[in-house]
Formats: sequence, C-alpha cells, structure tokens
Amino acid sequence: RKEVEQDPGPFNVPEGATVAFNCTYSNSASQSFFWYRQDCRKEPKLLMSVYSSGNEDGRFTAQLNRASQYISLLIRDSKLSDSATYLCVVNKDSNYQLIWGAGTKLIIKP
Amino acid sequence: EAGVAQSPRYKIIEKRQSVAFWCNPISGHATLYWYQQILGQGPKLLIQFQNNGVVDDSQLPKDRFSAERLKGVDSTLKIQPAKLEDSAVYLCASSLDWTGRWTGELFFGEGSRLTVL
Repeated sequence: RKEVEQDPGPFNVPEGATVAFNCTYSNSASQSFFWYRQDCRKEPKLLMSVYSSGNEDGRFTAQLNRASQYISLLIRDSKLSDSATYLCVVNKDSNYQLIWGAGTKLIIKP
Repeated sequence: EAGVAQSPRYKIIEKRQSVAFWCNPISGHATLYWYQQILGQGPKLLIQFQNNGVVDDSQLPKDRFSAERLKGVDSTLKIQPAKLEDSAVYLCASSLDWTGRWTGELFFGEGSRLTVL
C-alpha cells in the first residue's frame, strides 16, 4: 500500500459545480496534512493546511478524518482557473519530512 | 523577497553523461529539499538538508546521484552517469525560517527540466 494515495483522475467538472476528492494515508502517527496545487509545467504551491477541526478558505474546504485516515478537499463554485493537479502531502513521524501523493488532476470545463 | 532560484531551467544530455543543478533557497530558510518529479507523478524526495546536514537521503540513488549544501546555503545536485530514466524535473524547495516555526509550506523553485537521450 502506498503511504499516500490519491485518485489520479482526471476529474472533468463543469464550471460552477462542486467537486471533492480524497487522499488516504497509511501512517497513523502523521500529524500534519496539506493540499498543494500544481499548475501544468509549474512548481507546486501550498493551497491550504488541513486542521483536525476542518478548515475553509473561500471556496475551498479541507477536512481530516483520522479514524479512516483520509483527508478531503472540496471546491465549491468551481472556476476555470481551478484546473490544476492537487497534491496531498502528509508528514512522516517528524514534522520536517513529508510524503507526497501522486496528485489528482482536475479539469474545469466551460 | 526573492524566491528559490534554480539553474539551469532546461538541460538535454546523452545517457552516461553528467549534469549538475544548482539551487539557492530563500534567505534564512534552514531546510532545503531536492525532489524529482517524473511526468504524471508526484514529487519524490531525493534529499533533504537541515542547514548543511542531511536529514533524509533514503531515496537518493547514491551510485549516481550526489548532493551537497556547503555552508548551509545554496546546494548542488549532480547526476553521473545519467540514465534514460533520470529524465524528469528536478525541483528544489526550501522551508523554515530562523524562528523555527514550521508551517509546512515549502517554497519551490521553477525546476530544472532534464532530458536524457
């Protein structure tokens, strides 16, 4: 089993729709969780951290389910500019070491 | 504030040749990472430095890859000899300021795209 697993997609979603994807992790000792966004042929950039209580940033909501060991990302009212690959990142047992998922590709269609 | 600088942006070499990539992290960032990203995959950590010490190099193919971070600032990643499967983007990232408060945010350079023929 991979340490961090994501559905590679692509998710083809019409503009304005709501889309959600999950990421599962295998290390129950992980404490820090993040979503990064990577545009085509660009470097990854932090989208948001994922807190135990869940957190929201505008149209984006991230949630953590420790019991089932997954995190989720929900995008509401999707925009064409949301088209990107979304990478799930989980720390190892020390804060400084991170494990990256392979990413979920999202395509927003007009 | 200047971001993470990497060079060269693109490099094409023949197999068995050598190549070196350079990275200058954000000033004051103690942690520096080298990642390999093959098309369609997530970044794979090659080596992680904390100041000039190695934190993790478990996935670095040490028979052909080497990296150093002299004086705890900029870093060089070398591949010698290159193989076809080394074709990838090599991303450098840095994190942590001197206060030690780690937010989990890595700042990436634009990457060095390597093609091995």
